[in-house]
Amino acid sequence: GENVEQHPSTLSVQEGDSAVIKCTYSDSASNYFPWYKQELGKGPQLIIDIRSNVGEKKDQRIAVTLNKTAKHFSLHITETQPEDSAVYFCAASNRYGANSKLTFGKGITLSVRP
Amino acid sequence: SQTIHQWPATLVQPVGSPLSLECTVEGTSNPNLYWYRQAAGRGLQLLFYSVGIGQISSEVPQNLSASRPQDRQFILSSKKLLLSDSGFYLCAWATGNFNEKLFFGSGTQLSVL
Repeated sequence: GENVEQHPSTLSVQEGDSAVIKCTYSDSASNYFPWYKQELGKGPQLIIDIRSNVGEKKDQRIAVTLNKTAKHFSLHITETQPEDSAVYFCAASNRYGANSKLTFGKGITLSVRP
Repeated sequence: SQTIHQWPATLVQPVGSPLSLECTVEGTSNPNLYWYRQAAGRGLQLLFYSVGIGQISSEVPQNLSASRPQDRQFILSSKKLLLSDSGFYLCAWATGNFNEKLFFGSGTQLSVL
């Protein structure tokens, strides 16, 4: 089965700086890679996703890049703000697999220092 | 628009007591429904998923069970809670051909004492 790993488990950046969060996956058949943001005491919310037929996707201050050869994908947040502080989860799935389900990483806690 | 409701938000239960957590979805039909558990400092563990009324798949052996009595209702239960059942429980739904995008509820923080 799929195995998704996130490193490190915590990341601290200064407000205004960029943050990059990396994930690796094991199943070369995976072709859908979403990122979720979870604020304290709330459920995770989808913030951006990418499919394997593209290498990069951008939405305002956030972007996701995918390297299929190396089997890793990254979340990039530019001009970080205190409200970006949260736990970020990456995930992977094979959207063509029977009853495809997302496999999540363990999450990374991002702290943006004002 | 679609919304997902999950309750209660917090719950403190003694060991050995029963459990019932409820989740309902509005604004969509025939969704896939999921129960996840999030232990402190750990990721999201899929417990159950359902593709239709009465259809439940269990991902991990455990002390919990799930039921789907109606199309948009998903219930997580236990007859006797264990200390290890403590955690943050999340209900989620997905729809579409490939069920990619998961939409999570606000979660229930369960403490078993």
